[in-house]
Amino acid sequence: QVQLVESGGGVVQPGRSLRLSCAASGFTFSSYAMHWVRQAPGKGLEWVAVISYDGSNKYYADSVKGRFTISRDNSKNTLFLQMNSLRAEDTAVYYCAREWCSRTSCPKDYYYYMDVWGKGTTVTVSS
Amino acid sequence: DIQMTQSPSSVSASVGDRVTITCRASQGISSWLAWYQQKPGKAPKLLIYAASSLQSGVPSRFSGSGSGTDFTLTISSLQPEDFATYYCQQANSFPPFTFGPGTKVDIK
Repeated sequence: QVQLVESGGGVVQPGRSLRLSCAASGFTFSSYAMHWVRQAPGKGLEWVAVISYDGSNKYYADSVKGRFTISRDNSKNTLFLQMNSLRAEDTAVYYCAREWCSRTSCPKDYYYYMDVWGKGTTVTVSS
Repeated sequence: DIQMTQSPSSVSASVGDRVTITCRASQGISSWLAWYQQKPGKAPKLLIYAASSLQSGVPSRFSGSGSGTDFTLTISSLQPEDFATYYCQQANSFPPFTFGPGTKVDIK
C-alpha cells in the first residue's frame, strides 16, 4: 500500500543541524512532487517546503528559507529535509506528504494538495 | 501571502447532527481549496480537494462548497469517528501554501 515513513527526528540544541528522511513505498515516487509540513505542539499545520518530482524545483516557507534544504533521491525513493541553524520555534512534528497531482496529470511546477501523509517525526530544539 | 481563517474555532455537536465549518481566504482563490481531517496524534487526511471534490474513500456525508473567498465543509450526519480537527488549505498561490487555523469538532 502507499506509505510514507519519516525518520531522523530528535532533540537538538539551538543552532545545530538535523536531517530528516522520508521513505516512500507503494507508488512511483519519481512521478510525484513531495512536501514537508510541520505542526508545533498544540498548533495548526504549517507548510514548510515542496520539491518537484525530479528535484529541479524547490520552494520554501519564509520561516525556513536559507536554513532548510529539501532534496530527494529517486533511486532510493527517499525525501530529505536538511535543517540547519535550528531554533526553538522549529520544534514540531514534521510530516512528509505526497503532492496530489502526479507528473503525468499536471504540468511541471504546479502544486496543489497533499493526498498521502506519513505519521510524522518529532523535532525538539532545546538547550 | 494568502491568509486563511476558519469559523467557528470549535463546535460541540452530537452524533447525527449536521455540522458546517466555514473557511475564508484573504483574496480570491477560485476553487483551489482543500479540507483535511486530523485526529489527535495522527497525520492529517485529505477529505476534499478543488473545493467540492471528494477524495477517494471519504464517506459521502462529507461535502464541500464555495469559490472565490468563501468555502464551507459540511458533515451531513456526524458520526463518532468524525470528532477531529478540520483544516482548510489554499492552493491558488504559492509559496507558501497556507492552512486555516483549524476547527475542532468535539462531543456535545
